[in-house]
Amino acid sequence: ETGVTQTPRHLVMGMTNKKSLKCEQHLGHNAMYWYKQSAKKPLELMFVYNFKEQTENNSVPSRFSPECPNSSHLFLHLHTLQPEDSALYLCASSQDGATVEQYFGPGTRLTVT
Amino acid sequence: DQQVKQNSPSLSVQEGRISILNCDYTNSMFDYFLWYKKYPAEGPTFLISISSIKDKNEDGRFTVFLNKSAKHLSLHIVPSQPGDSAVYFCAASAGGGADGLTFGKGTHLIIQP
Repeated sequence: ETGVTQTPRHLVMGMTNKKSLKCEQHLGHNAMYWYKQSAKKPLELMFVYNFKEQTENNSVPSRFSPECPNSSHLFLHLHTLQPEDSALYLCASSQDGATVEQYFGPGTRLTVT
Repeated sequence: DQQVKQNSPSLSVQEGRISILNCDYTNSMFDYFLWYKKYPAEGPTFLISISSIKDKNEDGRFTVFLNKSAKHLSLHIVPSQPGDSAVYFCAASAGGGADGLTFGKGTHLIIQP
């Protein structure tokens, strides 16, 4: 595997379910990011991790819970989501928190029913 | 309040001609700008970037121009090729990558044969 991978690619969940999105980067980077892209809206930053430490939480509701166990892996735990949370969730990585160029995974298309 | 704006949702250009994609920003703290390209079912791919200390950066068929006084940047693709058909996102950063990137909504470029 190369670059940034995300699983699953598609997810349908009910509002009472608990699920997790997984991201893995094979680039040797030290910073990882979660973005959300809703229909007709720009990508919105959710969380930033730099050397496994969370450095940014962009006012994201607590029903989204990130986890970064090491520099290569990033998770987004989901519970009691709302239909308006349906979106494309993109993971990205960069060399470190000071580097601007980010490399994105293919995203997880989430539908909340 | 959108800090990065791409006012053209779509643009159609004939193959071989020049494609010009525009982006405006409002935050004067932005000091680094990037263009990403996105195909359906894939994540955004980094294309080219420019620092605010420059007014032009060129990479093969792609050139980005920055006009700081107008808070405007543009991406020129010449000559345009069918494989350039994609959604192009403009993104901006203020003071490094730690705060993530601020994206525009994107412009769908269609190259006509």
